[in-house]
Amino acid sequence: SSELTQDPAVSVALGQTVRITCQGDSLRTYYASWYQQKPGQAPVLVIYGKNNRPSGIPDRFSGSSSGNTASLTITGAQAEDEADYYCNSRDNSGNHLGNVLFGGGTKLTVL
Amino acid sequence: QITLKESGPTLVKPTQTLTLTCTLSGFSLSTTGVGVGWIRQPPGKALEWLALIYGDDDKRYSPSLKSSLTITKDTSKDQVVLTMTNMDPVDTATYYCARYNDYTDKWFDPWGQGTLVTVSS
Repeated sequence: SSELTQDPAVSVALGQTVRITCQGDSLRTYYASWYQQKPGQAPVLVIYGKNNRPSGIPDRFSGSSSGNTASLTITGAQAEDEADYYCNSRDNSGNHLGNVLFGGGTKLTVL
Repeated sequence: QITLKESGPTLVKPTQTLTLTCTLSGFSLSTTGVGVGWIRQPPGKALEWLALIYGDDDKRYSPSLKSSLTITKDTSKDQVVLTMTNMDPVDTATYYCARYNDYTDKWFDPWGQGTLVTVSS
């Protein structure tokens, strides 16, 4: 089956822009969705599709995709954005077509 | 308002079978393009997808756990049930259920609050 690969940790200065990436062959076929998870809480969807934000998600969150890489960008990171971020996609490989994939997560630290 | 809530035992012994129930509210599993998935997260570790079920009873399982998982639905009760056999301490995790949109774009939203299951003798 395919995999989704994320950097384990990323840091950003308060108010600056940060990009969190997710790589995988399935991303050539499917858009990634992105989830924010704060300690002790369930994940929350922040980006889905080409670049869509659910209601209530600040517009500083945006998504993009190129080839086998999906990116979540936070423009003007805030202290409350410090969290773990996970990407998610469908599997597009052989017998695993239709299965679900999650990346290993990226811990974002806001300095 | 769409909500999902997980329920089940908090402690199971090794080799036992775990049964978790996800109770749905505010949406129907019979809607085209909608499913319910189970995802778990061991303490301090990443999310791991387990299983997915749709209204037409199509089911998907994690390849690595397929032999131990069964997902079913009871539409009359608005519930989705996950069973996992031969539990092991490594299966200690918070187990989440979430609604899955599979129409055009694909995403899990919303998620239940999660339920922590500890496997220990």
